[in-house]
Amino acid sequence: GAGVSQSPSNKVTEKGKDVELRCDPISGHTALYWYRQSLGQGLEFLIYFQGNSAPDKSGLPSDRFSAERTGGSVSTLTIQRTQQEDSAVYLCASSFEPGFLNQPQHFGDGTRLSIL
Amino acid sequence: DAKTTQPTSMDCAEGRAANLPCNHSTISGNEYVYWYRQIHSQGPQYIIHGLKNNETNEMASLIITEDRKSSTLILPHATLRDTAVYYCIVRVKDDKIIFGKGTRLHILP
Repeated sequence: GAGVSQSPSNKVTEKGKDVELRCDPISGHTALYWYRQSLGQGLEFLIYFQGNSAPDKSGLPSDRFSAERTGGSVSTLTIQRTQQEDSAVYLCASSFEPGFLNQPQHFGDGTRLSIL
Repeated sequence: DAKTTQPTSMDCAEGRAANLPCNHSTISGNEYVYWYRQIHSQGPQYIIHGLKNNETNEMASLIITEDRKSSTLILPHATLRDTAVYYCIVRVKDDKIIFGKGTRLHILP
C-alpha cells in the first residue's frame, strides 16, 4: 500500500528564497506531523495536525515557518526568506487518530533542503 | 530529552539474532516503548511498540522487563539490510516523537 509521500525529494535554493514542501499522508490517517533532522542529529518536532483541531505549532523555530493542511489530507510546509541554518531533511509522518490502539507514526523519506 | 539510554553501536553477524538493549528507568505508567530504525537516506521506519507485555510481529520481538525500566529489541535473523540506526523511544500515545542518538547496528557478513 501507499506510504507517506513527500515532494520534492531534494530541494536546493538560494538564501532568502521561499520554499514549499509537500506531504501526502497515508489515506485515512487523521494525524500529521512535521519534523526536521539536521545532519547526524535526532528529530526536531515542528508542527502537528489532528483532524479539525487547531494545530500544535509549538515546535516551529521562527515565524518564517508555517504549515497548512487542506481538507484534512495534504499538508504544505512553507519556509519564507530561507537561511542557511534551515538546511536539513524535513520529514513528514502520519498516523491514525492518536489514542486509537496507540497507532504508530509512519514516516515519509523526507525532503532534503539545501540553502546556498 | 530522549528519556532513553542505548549503546552507541553494536555489531552482529549475519544470520544471528541481534539483541538491542534500551534503558528507560524513568518511564511512567502511561508511556509506551516504541522502536524505529533509520536506514541511510530514508525516513524512520516503525518496527514495534509495547506497554508491558512482550510483543512480536513480522519484523521483530520486543521484550519488556517486568518493572518496565528496560527493554530489548530482537531481530531474530539479522541480514545486511538490517544495518541501520535503531531508536528506542518512550512516549504517551499522542505525543510527538523525540529521538535520542540511537544504536548504530552493523551487520557483519
